[in-house]
Amino acid sequence: DAGVIQSPRHEVTEMGQEVTLRCKPISGHDYLFWYRQTMMRGLELLIYFNNNVPIDDSGMPEDRFSAKMPNASFSTLKIQPSEPRDSAVYFCASNQRGANYGYTFGSGTRLTVV
Amino acid sequence: TQLLEQSPQFLSIQEGENLTVYCNSSSVFSSLQWYRQEPGEGPVLLVTVVTGGEVKKLKRLTFQFGDARKDSSLHITAAQPGDTGLYLCAGAEGGSQGNLIFGKGTKLSVKP
Repeated sequence: DAGVIQSPRHEVTEMGQEVTLRCKPISGHDYLFWYRQTMMRGLELLIYFNNNVPIDDSGMPEDRFSAKMPNASFSTLKIQPSEPRDSAVYFCASNQRGANYGYTFGSGTRLTVV
Repeated sequence: TQLLEQSPQFLSIQEGENLTVYCNSSSVFSSLQWYRQEPGEGPVLLVTVVTGGEVKKLKRLTFQFGDARKDSSLHITAAQPGDTGLYLCAGAEGGSQGNLIFGKGTKLSVKP
């Protein structure tokens, strides 16, 4: 199993540009989570999906952020327009049975907005 | 919002020493997980504890869940340089399938 695959690993973009982060969860996992990690705030849940349906997006910072899961093997997190304060490492994770069971994380996308 | 406080924030020790890191909350969790994260990588699950008072061992690592399910500890015996990393605890809110709350972590450095 290749694990959770995220792309790109690194992204540097200018303020105001659109950024799209991608995630392929582990096959057979029904839950997909997007987290953001910063030194100040640690790991924060942005949104999670169950069976491709968004369940809780209360962690999405503002309308500039959107996430989709068009099928069981692919999800995107989009930021439009990007701002310097969006700079962080964004992680995707998946699992089979929800929060009480271990998550498998991807290697993350380090986003820098200049 | 439930919060998990981890202590200490940083820990630097010599190889062979023992150490304990703590994870505390004022709220009850249905389960608690420990992860280790290395630079440039995502967190990797070490253990999940679900029962108050539960103790789990993973080689030199011993995990304990508090009786009231509000706190947890991780004890490492005879630390090795390979134990270096960021140790994160994460609690699952009761009744929620998706909200795993993470502490900010303990950054451990084990020097040879």
